[in-house]
Amino acid sequence: KQEVTQIPAALSVPEGENLVLNCSFTDSAIYNLQWFRQDPGKGLTSLLLIQSSQREQTSGRLNASLDKSSGRSTLYIAASQPGDSATYLCAGPQSGSARQLTFGSGTQLTVLP
Amino acid sequence: DTEVTQTPKHLVMGMTNKKSLKCEQHMGHRAMYWYKQKAKKPPELMFVYSYEKLSINESVPSRFSPECPNSSLLNLHLHALQPEDSALYLCASSQLPGQDTEAFFGQGTRLTVV
Repeated sequence: KQEVTQIPAALSVPEGENLVLNCSFTDSAIYNLQWFRQDPGKGLTSLLLIQSSQREQTSGRLNASLDKSSGRSTLYIAASQPGDSATYLCAGPQSGSARQLTFGSGTQLTVLP
Repeated sequence: DTEVTQTPKHLVMGMTNKKSLKCEQHMGHRAMYWYKQKAKKPPELMFVYSYEKLSINESVPSRFSPECPNSSLLNLHLHALQPEDSALYLCASSQLPGQDTEAFFGQGTRLTVV
């Protein structure tokens, strides 16, 4: 069964810093991984989807990587801004059931002005 | 257009009420999902519809009744809920699973059961 873990649970950084959020998964047969952003009380906004055949995906100041052999994905945020403050969740398909997404518990990011 | 629209945004209901949550997408996605999210927790899958047929029910109590009237619409009918059912209910849609399958979520319905 796929299990997804995110560490740390919370992170606070000053504006302008580059930062990395971590996501670990147990089933290396994962064939894609998706990163989401969630603002308080709101829905999930898809940030990046990385297919298993890819190692990286980039969108603006965001870069996500996927290393299946180590069971890890990272989300790199460059030049952080207060507007980046949110909870970031990673999710991968459940083993044997591609329609079931398993989520990590999220990293709550605060970017201080 | 990558929008999934959920209505209402907020709902307060009594334990004897019957209400429905609605979800709509026009991306041509043939898989639609209901998730439940409690505060400070990740979303938990409730139901999956593929081609308008219920394909996954994650042992959800019968007081939650999903319905998929057509390929663009998904409803969640609520009856005799308990206070512990208060949560954010999220709808999502995607193409049928593959490497490039990206899930898109709505803004959720904040449900409070009193």
